[in-house]
This record gives sequence, C-alpha cells and structure tokens, in this order.
Amino acid sequence: DAKTTQPTSMDCAEGRAANLPCNHSTISGNEYVYWYRQIHSQGPQYIIHGLKNNETNEMASLIITEDRKSSTLILPHATLRDTAVYYCIVTSGGSQGNLIFGKGTKLSVKP
Amino acid sequence: DTGVSQDPRHKITKRGQNVTFRCDPISEHNRLYWYRQTLGQGPEFLTYFQNEAQLEKSRLLSDRFSAERPKGSFSTLEIQRTEQGDSAMYLCASSSREANTDTQYFGPGTRLTVL
Repeated sequence: DAKTTQPTSMDCAEGRAANLPCNHSTISGNEYVYWYRQIHSQGPQYIIHGLKNNETNEMASLIITEDRKSSTLILPHATLRDTAVYYCIVTSGGSQGNLIFGKGTKLSVKP
Repeated sequence: DTGVSQDPRHKITKRGQNVTFRCDPISEHNRLYWYRQTLGQGPEFLTYFQNEAQLEKSRLLSDRFSAERPKGSFSTLEIQRTEQGDSAMYLCASSSREANTDTQYFGPGTRLTVL
C-alpha cells in the first residue's frame, strides 16, 4: 500500500496558486518525498523531491512540515496544462528501488 | 521528453499471442524499471535492473512475463500467451544515483490492448 494520503480531486482557477497536500505520517528518517504528475495518456513526469528542507525549482515548490509528516506541493501560477493527476510518493532515496504510487490527486485547472 | 523512449507506443494483439516491448533509457543511467498501469490506477512496479542484473521482481510478474537487459543498456519486456487482463500501459523508467537520491524518469509508455 502507498505510504501517503492525498485528496482524490481538487480544482484551481487558472493563474492562481495550486496547493496540493499530502500526508505521510509514517515517513522514516531516511525517506524522501517525491512528487510526480501524469497528464492523460502520458508517462509520469518528475516534478520535485525533498528530504526535510523546503525545495523550489522551475516547476514548483515543495513545503515539508517540520515533523515531516505532511507536505504541500505548490504550483505558483497554474495553467490549463497543469491539469493532471499528481502523485506524492515516499521512498528511501539511497536505494530508491520501486516507487509505490497511490491514486494521486486529480487537479483540474479551470479558466 | 525525458530522454527515455519506448517502442511501440501502441500495440493491439489477440489473446494468446506473444508481445515484446522495448525501452531505451537515458544513456548514462544504470538503473531501469518496468511498471504497469491499468485504467484509473497509479503505476505498479514490475521489475528493476541495475546494469544487466535483474535485482527485483514483483509478484505481479507472472511466469508469462520476462524482462531482459542484456548489455545494460536497452531492455525488453515480453509477455507470452497474452490475456485480456494484460491490457494496460507498460511504463519504463530509468535512473542514476546522484548524491543520495535516485530520481526515476519515465518514458511515454506502451499501451497494450489484448482483444
């Protein structure tokens, strides 16, 4: 079973920030939080990952709580092309092995 | 485009036929993974190679499934005697350990339809 819990679906207005939450209360000290997204009929796309510090790249920001039991992926200015299923995955980074995907959050960006 | 390619992108076959899919990973990546995704579900892990060695296999990988990575570069996934339940998207990913992480990059997938 996936080690994370995410809402099934969310809506966001185009141009606004999309904040996608993820709970991972059983995360271990050596486990990373990874985010992928999957646009319809395409392969999953890597977005960002982090261990304990907040991270930002050209696609998104990742905010991890101090106790590491939850995180939020932020898309600062959502566009219609950000409509996708977003997966939050917890994995030990050193030997990632297989990723365990849950059902993710279906984000719908609306004009 | 992540640099991981898969061929074919679509395959339609009749039940009982054998099919083979190919994955070409990012060139410097030594790890290669296969996943399967059915409609409405997240991808599920099938198997994993480090270089040419197959290090892990899921219980989903029945004896009708076989995967190879003979020279540690491209990989093939073969399904023998296909069944309708094999209809799914087959995804390949590759990675290379950097620092303490091992980010996997996925290809576009091969969609298999078994009639």
